[in-house]
Amino acid sequence: DIQMTQSPSSLSASVGDRVSISCRASQSINTYLNWYQQAEGKAPKLLIYDASSLQSGVPSRFSGSGSGTDFTLTISSLQPEDFATYYCQQSYSNIPITFGPGTKVDL
Amino acid sequence: QVQLQESGPGLVRPSGTLSLTCAISGGSITSTNWWSWVRQPPGKGLEWIGEIYHSGSTNYNPSLKSRVTMSVDESKNQFSLKVRFVTAADTAVYYCVRRTVATFADNWFDPWGQGTLVAVSS
Repeated sequence: DIQMTQSPSSLSASVGDRVSISCRASQSINTYLNWYQQAEGKAPKLLIYDASSLQSGVPSRFSGSGSGTDFTLTISSLQPEDFATYYCQQSYSNIPITFGPGTKVDL
Repeated sequence: QVQLQESGPGLVRPSGTLSLTCAISGGSITSTNWWSWVRQPPGKGLEWIGEIYHSGSTNYNPSLKSRVTMSVDESKNQFSLKVRFVTAADTAVYYCVRRTVATFADNWFDPWGQGTLVAVSS
């Protein structure tokens, strides 16, 4: 299995802050990495696919970068609706598909 | 746009079988996508359970493979999940989700159903 790790596990930030979340794969996954946002009590929502492609309708303050084993999700200016948990997911190997443990962004 | 809706019992007895169905609206189950189940225990992260193609081909997480069965009903535009011999560890919010496939490895989960909480308890 490809193991996914994220850091930090949680972070505190304020509205307007620039926030970066790291995701690391246990082996190279090229750019086959997706990011999801999950608000409290809601289903996850796709933000970024293929490491850096912004899903339609997602604000441009979200961006993704990286390749190989190291990836980053950046929020350029945190908004109130961005306080949530963020998960990375690798699509390089589909048996099994694996997610990172999540990073909670709160005030 | 495609929308997914899970349905099924919210309570299952230990050693019983968990059964859920996902109804697809705004699109067809026969599209070139895989249809997945992902679960999330309370306060924990996301775990991929497995997926099915409209032809009936399946991929299961090896950690659950011995207890999981998925099926498709094209006439009803829905797919289903069964997990046998459940324990308290199977208590979770269960999501059905489409895996959109651009290429073999270039794929992602979107959209997601709203999720349904299934508790395993006597």
